[in-house]
Amino acid sequence: DTGVSQNPRHKITKRGQNVTFRCDPISEHNRLYWYRQTLGQGPEFLTYFQNEAQLEKSRLLSDRFSAERPKGSFSTLEIQRTEQGDSAMYLCASSSNQEIEAFFGQGTRLTVV
Amino acid sequence: GEDVEQSLFLSVREGDSSVINCTYTDSSSTYLYWYKQEPGAGLQLLTYIFSNMDMKQDQRLTVLLNKKDKHLSLRIADTQTGDSAIYFCAETLSNDYKLSFGAGTTVTVRA
Repeated sequence: DTGVSQNPRHKITKRGQNVTFRCDPISEHNRLYWYRQTLGQGPEFLTYFQNEAQLEKSRLLSDRFSAERPKGSFSTLEIQRTEQGDSAMYLCASSSNQEIEAFFGQGTRLTVV
Repeated sequence: GEDVEQSLFLSVREGDSSVINCTYTDSSSTYLYWYKQEPGAGLQLLTYIFSNMDMKQDQRLTVLLNKKDKHLSLRIADTQTGDSAIYFCAETLSNDYKLSFGAGTTVTVRA
């Protein structure tokens, strides 16, 4: 198992464009989380999946954001009509029901210009 | 996380002990965690403590929890240059799985 994998690692996009990030969790992990981290801050929770069901969304997740986990394995996070304020590191994490620890990926760094 | 606060910077001499402090406000926290983040890397869980414990030791790491004052600390013994990183305190609440993080403490180890 190679851990939580996120693609791409870096993304530069023009304001107004749509972007999509992918997260491949550790296999057999049924819980998957998305967090956003801006410079000088800790990660902030965005959304949580239990298998394919999206059980919780933060108020930070505006209508321009959508996340899916169609088969309960990998997940995608899409941002539509990106704004400069969306520039951040987007982190994915996964865990199993039997473990306390959530394992984080290396993140996707988004820069909106 | 607005409910988890940490000092922002710590400078320590190689070989000395580091102590990183954190305060949290929610008394219903179940687990409290320390994560490490190195440049260009994801978050790595260092250790965690259940809220009914006072102390946990794991090799060079000692976690102390004062529930009355809602204060958590991480002590790193014999600090090495490889310990230079950002350290995040985090909590999960009862019946919840998401982590609430502090802003992180940047630890710089000087020779």
